[in-house]
Amino acid sequence: DAGVTQSPTHLIKTRGQHVTLRCSPISGHKSVSWYQQVLGQGPQFIFQYYEKEERGRGNFPDRFSARQFPNYSSELNVNALLLGDSALYLCASSPSGGGPQPQHFGDGTRLSIL
Amino acid sequence: GQQVMQIPQYQHVQEGEDFTTYCNSSTTLSNIQWYKQRPGGHPVFLIQLVKSGEVKKQKRLTFQFGEAKKNSSLHITATQTTDVGTYFCSKTSYDKVIFGPGTSLSVIP
Repeated sequence: DAGVTQSPTHLIKTRGQHVTLRCSPISGHKSVSWYQQVLGQGPQFIFQYYEKEERGRGNFPDRFSARQFPNYSSELNVNALLLGDSALYLCASSPSGGGPQPQHFGDGTRLSIL
Repeated sequence: GQQVMQIPQYQHVQEGEDFTTYCNSSTTLSNIQWYKQRPGGHPVFLIQLVKSGEVKKQKRLTFQFGEAKKNSSLHITATQTTDVGTYFCSKTSYDKVIFGPGTSLSVIP
């Protein structure tokens, strides 16, 4: 069975642009979460979506938004990119949205802002 | 307030030596999860602890949850080069998942 898949694997953008990152969860998983990981730090929680609704939000500005589709895949959008948005963006899926569950991570999208 | 702390930040051990990383919270934890991230890879789930004083073992790895549910530890017996990576603890709080800063383990062959 395929794991969590993310696209693209790498992306280079310039300041002020916007970006869309995509994630497909493990088959049967209905919850998707997004994380930002800066080199040398732990993943920082951005959003959790379950059944197409936002279930949790981290301390990120409104430039960050996300959505989940009927097939449970998800997109993370970031507007007005800043240099500080350069990071590895990880998507994780879990079977449901209820209570603490193991997060199954994809390989991430490496975003570089010039 | 909601953070989890981990010590040490880095640990270099000789292959065969033991290794322990500690995770601490100022507030009571309903649960704690441990993940391992190899260099260049993504975090991989290891275990979840939910009960006070709980101890779980996976081969050479031993996980403990403190009696007061404010701390946890991961102990590796007789480290191997395959244990290299960063070990993160995380907690779920009000629909947010909070990861610690991690302990980076290097194993010298």
